[in-house]
Amino acid sequence: KAGVTQTPRYLIKTRGQQVTLSCSPISGHRSVSWYQQTPGQGLQFLFEYFSETQRNKGNFPGRFSGRQFSNSRSEMNVSTLELGDSALYLCASSLHQGGGGYTFGSGTRLTVV
Amino acid sequence: GENVEQHPSTLSVQEGDSAVIKCTYSDSASNYFPWYKQELGKRPQLIIDIRSNVGEKKDQRIAVTLNKTAKHFSLHITETQPEDSAVYFCAASGNEKLTFGTGTRLTIIP
Repeated sequence: KAGVTQTPRYLIKTRGQQVTLSCSPISGHRSVSWYQQTPGQGLQFLFEYFSETQRNKGNFPGRFSGRQFSNSRSEMNVSTLELGDSALYLCASSLHQGGGGYTFGSGTRLTVV
Repeated sequence: GENVEQHPSTLSVQEGDSAVIKCTYSDSASNYFPWYKQELGKRPQLIIDIRSNVGEKKDQRIAVTLNKTAKHFSLHITETQPEDSAVYFCAASGNEKLTFGTGTRLTIIP
């Protein structure tokens, strides 16, 4: 079966712009979580969606938002981009809410210039 | 919220030797502890996990031990091989979000 698909794989944006990243989970998985990965900071939790509802949120500013659609696909939006937002954004899907059995996508590498 | 600390941040071992990575967690309600391996330029992949009702779990050359009282868990890799070189992340969850450690870069020296 298909894995977790993230698009686009690479993105270059200018400071002040906004960006939308997409994540399609494994078929049947209803939970999608987003993480920001930067060198030295590891994987920082952004938010988790389950059945179209945000269930958990990390300590990121309001410029970071997300949503989940009825087919479980999720999007993440970052507005007013800053240089520090440059990172690998990973999404992970699982059958159930709460972290068990996560499968990660390959990520979207965002570079803000 | 949960806080996960991971040590060491870097580890180099001779091929064939064992490697041990240790993590501690803060939330006593955490009950699920996975380990992920991330090779350069690739996605993190689950290699082994353990739930709080079990003290040890083994899968071929990889084992994880859990001490609930002390709130720490460890990854043990025996007979290391060059393909074990990667960054390893521990994580903890208590039926909510998965909180990750900061990673250990493991290098296997041929």
